[in-house]
Amino acid sequence: DSGVTQTPKHLITATGQRVTLRCSPRSGDLSVYWYQQSLDQGLQFLIQYYNGEERAKGNILERFSAQQFPDLHSELNLSSLELGDSALYFCASSVWDRGDSPLHFGNGTRLTVT
Amino acid sequence: GESVGLHLPTLSVQEGDNSIINCAYSNSASDYFIWYKQESGKGPQFIIDIRSNMDKRQGQRVTVLLNKTVKHLSLQIAATQPGDSAVYFCAEHKNYGQNFVFGPGTRLSVLP
Repeated sequence: DSGVTQTPKHLITATGQRVTLRCSPRSGDLSVYWYQQSLDQGLQFLIQYYNGEERAKGNILERFSAQQFPDLHSELNLSSLELGDSALYFCASSVWDRGDSPLHFGNGTRLTVT
Repeated sequence: GESVGLHLPTLSVQEGDNSIINCAYSNSASDYFIWYKQESGKGPQFIIDIRSNMDKRQGQRVTVLLNKTVKHLSLQIAATQPGDSAVYFCAEHKNYGQNFVFGPGTRLSVLP
């Protein structure tokens, strides 16, 4: 068990809808990362937060947004969902934001858009 | 659970043999590297890491080798077991404040 908790585990929704994915980092970790994993594209970095502030952005769509709250949990909001958004979404946490400590991943949220 | 990367390169090894999984990284300025193991239905699990000032690091049954000259990383698993069957990813950290970039992954299949 990595100590990173993601909810829900599965989410099925229709095109055009909006969903929120939740992540609780490991105790003591200040940095949260969101990754998308699809069958043909591997793990794609979306966004990183450190102690409540956005630190780095990857190829995150404008329809997607995230935030990290004072208690350090993070939420990823996906709106105007399309079929192509179906994927596994992983949250990871690390102690710092300097990239010199490993990321610890949750077990992901499987999103299916129908 | 759903399989990840149905068309990943696959390495098949006999149980008890040693496995070597390779990864080419992209940025000569990358300073930190990690190997992850991902089993079906689970998130990537940290195996071992290495910093760019080292060329070898050993863990329990695993060794990571870093060749900065050719930008190559390898993971060696000794006495491979059925529980080692999974997809293995390398990840590189490029610069301060930047994210980790993951390789495409290799599926390790352990044959009885």
